Amino acid sequence: AQSVTQLDSQVPVFEEAPVELRCNYSSSVSVYLFWYVQYPNQGLQLLLKYLSGSTLVKGINGFEAEFNKSQTSFHLRKPSVHISDTAEYFCAVKYYGGSQGNLIFGKGTKLSVKP
Amino acid sequence: DTAVSQTPKYLVTQMGNDKSIKCEQNLGHDTMYWYKQDSKKFLKIMFSYNNKELIINETVPNRFSPKSPDKAHLNLHINSLELGDSAVYFCASSHGGTSTDTQYFGPGTRLTVL
Repeated sequence: AQSVTQLDSQVPVFEEAPVELRCNYSSSVSVYLFWYVQYPNQGLQLLLKYLSGSTLVKGINGFEAEFNKSQTSFHLRKPSVHISDTAEYFCAVKYYGGSQGNLIFGKGTKLSVKP
Repeated sequence: DTAVSQTPKYLVTQMGNDKSIKCEQNLGHDTMYWYKQDSKKFLKIMFSYNNKELIINETVPNRFSPKSPDKAHLNLHINSLELGDSAVYFCASSHGGTSTDTQYFGPGTRLTVL
């Protein structure tokens, strides 16, 4: 079955430190990749997405992610985090030929930024 | 100017009751979705509608019935509520139903079944 794995369920980090949230997907076919953020008690907001083209994708709030086809990964990075980045981050994938529009989510990574 | 809205935000009810959650989008999108987020934050799609027609119907008990009166609305009716139905339910919409379309999510409805 197709799946998305977020290797870390929780990532604590100090303010202004860099962070990387890892995401791997299982697939032998082409994919579209997304990162969503969920702030406490709120809905999901799109951070960035990879559809095609450059493998380095820049999103909102200073986040970026790199698509690595050979490693089937789409890790999210930020060079310097803020307290306000504390949230749950979800990696998601859509597969070519999959159910129309069906987003498959990872289990999320809780980023906690400490002062 | 809420793009995707859901009502109610919180819903507490007894086992066996029937309840509905409403979703509306003002983005002019053709496709709408319902997702369930369980207590471990795992998100899974339940239904997808495109132009008021059912596209995706994942393995969901038939106690759950989506209803789309028009392209801007996708309501979720749940009959005979069970404890395991407690979760956060998210509505989403996208311009089309293809893989490249970004899905925009509502704020969620936290359902608690007692």
